[in-house]
Amino acid sequence: GAVVSQHPSWVICKSGTSVKIECRSLDFQATTMFWYRQFPKQSLMLMATSNEGSKATYEQGVEKDKFLINHASLTLSTLTVTSAHPEDSSFYICSARPGVGRGNKETQYFGPGTRLLVL
Amino acid sequence: AQSVTQLGSHVSVSEGALVLLRCNYSSSVPPYLFWYVQYPNQGLQLLLKYTSAATLVKGINGFEAEFKKSETSFHLTKPSAHMSDAAEYFCAVSGMDSSYKLIFGSGTRLLVRP
Repeated sequence: GAVVSQHPSWVICKSGTSVKIECRSLDFQATTMFWYRQFPKQSLMLMATSNEGSKATYEQGVEKDKFLINHASLTLSTLTVTSAHPEDSSFYICSARPGVGRGNKETQYFGPGTRLLVL
Repeated sequence: AQSVTQLGSHVSVSEGALVLLRCNYSSSVPPYLFWYVQYPNQGLQLLLKYTSAATLVKGINGFEAEFKKSETSFHLTKPSAHMSDAAEYFCAVSGMDSSYKLIFGSGTRLLVRP
């Protein structure tokens, strides 16, 4: 149980285009989903926290107009990188946390990641 | 504020040897503590977690960790390393607020020599 998927697993795009990444919890309902960014050989940097049906909470220094997050249902959150530039190239990882009533509500389950390359 | 320190960015052991990956945390509230493993170009997989129950926590793949409040530590161990254990390991802490946000350590790369 507790499987999280991401799509696509990798994407190459031209500078100036927008890219959408999907994060789905496959076998549980996720009250909260998190989006992280990871640079090579570094740890994960939390970008934002999204709760179903409400606006995402962005970490300091993360441009909310650049990284649009939508959490439309209890099993799906999307991250859209708008007007992508080469410096946005990175490994983006999502995680999902089970909702209230689940014994593992404190645990985040991670997706496999999406590698974005902006040319 | 919460923080996590992982001592040693790289740890190298021989196959069959003891694995010890160190993690110290700082938290003003009783923490939840986690160890995750990341294989190349993949997401994170939960190895084990401490949630204020037993202080010795057993996880998957033969790993275990002991919560020591007096030392503010949560070191990860495995009695005998396998080649397949080579990966990046992250220690993380979260508080008991409603968001359960994770604060990650910088990671430790485990190398296993044949």
